[in-house]
Amino acid sequence: AQKVTQAQTEISVVEKEDVTLDCVYETRDTTYYLFWYKQPPSGELVFLIRRNSFDEQNEISGRYSWNFQKSTSSFNFTITASQVVDSAVYFCALSVWGPKTSGSRLTFGEGTQLTVNP
Amino acid sequence: DVKVTQSSRYLVKRTGEKVFLECVQDMDHENMFWYRQDPGLGLRLIYFSYDVKMKEKGDIPEGYSVSREKKERFSLILESASTNQTSMYLCASSKDTLRLSPQHFGDGTRLSIL
Repeated sequence: AQKVTQAQTEISVVEKEDVTLDCVYETRDTTYYLFWYKQPPSGELVFLIRRNSFDEQNEISGRYSWNFQKSTSSFNFTITASQVVDSAVYFCALSVWGPKTSGSRLTFGEGTQLTVNP
Repeated sequence: DVKVTQSSRYLVKRTGEKVFLECVQDMDHENMFWYRQDPGLGLRLIYFSYDVKMKEKGDIPEGYSVSREKKERFSLILESASTNQTSMYLCASSKDTLRLSPQHFGDGTRLSIL
């Protein structure tokens, strides 16, 4: 069985601060993908990134960066120079490779509510 | 861009009613999913479908059923609504199981059962 833990329920920062959202996962599968989604107040989950289990290279996209470490089963997300528009709930999720009938289902963490204050 | 459309943003129903939540995607995706989202619990999978007329139970299927008669449409049915089914319901779709394509989500339906 898979499990994703986001220990930080809520984080509050002031604009321009850097902030890191933690994600720890559990799986016995060797082939899997990790995801981050953003859910703004409007409600729709927005896909941010997908990383596979064979690629531990860190990734940077503008102010966003992701640190994937298999040794600690973690996939942390950092926002640099945060902005008010970054305020949202962020979800980490895990999907394991399997037959078609497994449907590429996602296991989500509980989510972290990020509030960026002006 | 992928578009996943849920029929209602807000819905209020009464205990015992049969409730239908509709979801349509426009990108010819094979997989479709229904989740419910509750504070402190994240998103939990109710049912998913990997093909027309095919369905699989997720983690919390009790009290729900689904229907997928056409590839683009996936319906969630509450056979006899109860107050503990008050929640935010999210529909999603994805292209490819084997390559674990990202899921794309609709705006959600906030359902209240009175």
